[in-house]
Amino acid sequence: GDSVTQMEGPVTLSEEAFLTINCTYTATGYPSLFWYVQYPGEGLQLLLKATKADDKGSNKGFEATYRKETTSFHLEKGSVQVSDSAVYFCALSDRNQGGKLIFGQGTELSVKP
Amino acid sequence: AAGVIQSPRHLIKEKRETATLKCYPIPRHDTVYWYQQGPGQDPQFLISFYEKMQSDKGSIPDRFSAQQFSDYHSELNMSSLELGDSALYFCASSPLNLDNYGYTFGSGTRLTVV
Repeated sequence: GDSVTQMEGPVTLSEEAFLTINCTYTATGYPSLFWYVQYPGEGLQLLLKATKADDKGSNKGFEATYRKETTSFHLEKGSVQVSDSAVYFCALSDRNQGGKLIFGQGTELSVKP
Repeated sequence: AAGVIQSPRHLIKEKRETATLKCYPIPRHDTVYWYQQGPGQDPQFLISFYEKMQSDKGSIPDRFSAQQFSDYHSELNMSSLELGDSALYFCASSPLNLDNYGYTFGSGTRLTVV
């Protein structure tokens, strides 16, 4: 079945460092891809999404490009802030397979001042 | 803007008791999903409803059941609770066309079974 694999955490960076969190997926169809962020004790918030190949999702300085040839959707940010500390989940959804979200295992990011 | 409302936010139950979790989707969202997130785990899909009919089923135990009502709110009923059921339970809603909107998650219900 469809699946998502993320780089393992925790990832610890200094403020203003460059962030990359790798995400690759396996899917039989043409899924939409998402990044969600979860702050401590809170729910899941949509960070960005892309619905077809070569689409770039962006929000709050974060970016990710849907790469069909490498089945990847890596999350990047040029300069992280302490407030970016959270758990980041990569996910996919295929409407032709019920539309449910399939999540990666999550990557915890800790940004130090 | 209205969000997905879940109640209660926190729930403590004893083993073998029953729990009912409620979810109120965003107006005009026709699909509701339930997820379970154990401590330090990624969310796992339980069940979904489209236009009040069950549309998909994931790793939901037989002890759990769910339904969507005429006003589109959904309830997850959990019986014979076990310690391992302690988790964060999320509800999400989405419109049919994901291209424009995507999913919106509620804040979750934290269930603790003691």
